Amino acid sequence: KAGVTQTPRYLIKTRGQQVTLSCSPISGHRSVSWYQQTPGQGLQFLFEYFSETQRNKGNFPGRFSGRQFSNSRSEMNVSTLELGDSALYLCASSLTGDRYNEQFFGPGTRLTVL
Amino acid sequence: AQKITQTQPGMFVQEKEAVTLDCTYDTSDPSYGLFWYKQPSSGEMIFLIYQGSYDQQNATEGRYSLNFQKARKSANLVISASQLGDSAMYFCAMRGRNTGNQFYFGTGTSLTVIP
Repeated sequence: KAGVTQTPRYLIKTRGQQVTLSCSPISGHRSVSWYQQTPGQGLQFLFEYFSETQRNKGNFPGRFSGRQFSNSRSEMNVSTLELGDSALYLCASSLTGDRYNEQFFGPGTRLTVL
Repeated sequence: AQKITQTQPGMFVQEKEAVTLDCTYDTSDPSYGLFWYKQPSSGEMIFLIYQGSYDQQNATEGRYSLNFQKARKSANLVISASQLGDSAMYFCAMRGRNTGNQFYFGTGTSLTVIP
């Protein structure tokens, strides 16, 4: 079974631009979560999607948004990029998102904002 | 709110020895899951082991075992017979029913295995 895939793996943008990251979950998994990882803040939850609906949201500004498609693939978008948005963005999928389900992570997208 | 504390920023262990990585948590949720993940320098998070709050026995997965002490709210990871490939960051995480099953992560412990 193929794992979680994320594209692109690396991205370089400049301040003010916008970016879209893509995540394909493990086949059959309906829950997709996004995390931002930085050396200073660690792993921070962005949001979770389940069956095309945002089910949970972390404490991030509205510049961060996401969506999930009917095939469970998910995208996250960051508008008006700031230098502080430079981070590793991790996507994780789980079967239902229930507390007993482990999450499986993708390799991440490393975003650098110049 | 949930909180995960990992008090060991860095640990060293001799190859083939066992090592314990500490994790304590704070929650008022009666039902929750505890997880450990490994993150090598490549960046990908690898699921290691899971413990449910109602599980009576400590979880084990190969060389990994979870020392779960519910009353003390601790969920330490024990790695036996350390290998060079175990050098990585290790994250403790939990998710609970009352917080929408959102994952909360600790700050991580960097483990270095010395040959």
